[in-house]
Amino acid sequence: ILNVEQSPQSLHVQEGDSTNFTCSFPSSNFYALHWYRWETAKSPEALFVMTLNGDEKKKGRISATLNTKEGYSYLYIKGSQPEDSATYLCALQMDSNYQLIWGAGTKLIIKP
Amino acid sequence: DGGITQSPKYLFRKEGQNVTLSCEQNLNHDAMYWYRQDPGQGLRLIYYSQIVNDFQKGDIAEGYSVSREKKESFPLTVTSAQKNPTAFYLCASSPLAGVWDNEQFFGPGTRLTVL
Repeated sequence: ILNVEQSPQSLHVQEGDSTNFTCSFPSSNFYALHWYRWETAKSPEALFVMTLNGDEKKKGRISATLNTKEGYSYLYIKGSQPEDSATYLCALQMDSNYQLIWGAGTKLIIKP
Repeated sequence: DGGITQSPKYLFRKEGQNVTLSCEQNLNHDAMYWYRQDPGQGLRLIYYSQIVNDFQKGDIAEGYSVSREKKESFPLTVTSAQKNPTAFYLCASSPLAGVWDNEQFFGPGTRLTVL
């Protein structure tokens, strides 16, 4: 069974600091890697979809990279703000049927 | 407002009773999905549907049933055969089935507690 691992499980960061966390997976043979953000009391929202080795996507202060050869993706947040507090989920899409294999998430808490 | 609605937000049932969770979307999406979340675990796929009147089992379909009689509706029934039904259930939809960059849109979830 393919396992998508996210680390750390939770992370406390001071407001204004930059941070990053990891999604790792054992396979290089997949369709796409997805990142979602899930704020408390809200629904998960898509951040990025990446497919190619070396892909880098950016949305404001948040960016993500993908290394398919070594099996990991990093999510970076520059200058963390309280509104960045959320659980960040990654998911691996193995084929075109769009079934996703989800990691357990990294819970990010920004301390003011 | 376009979106996905799930009802109710919280649901309590006695052991041995079937219960149906509602999921409706007005986004005109083809595909719909049901996930279950347990503490410390990733979302696990229960069932998905790519087209009306058709659906496929996900990784943990045992003890669950679904129907897709209308494009906008994908109700999930948790039957008495599901051995550990207490969990948080998320419904999602996506515009097209079988497209690689097909973003999923999620509802707010239903927390089911079986007493």
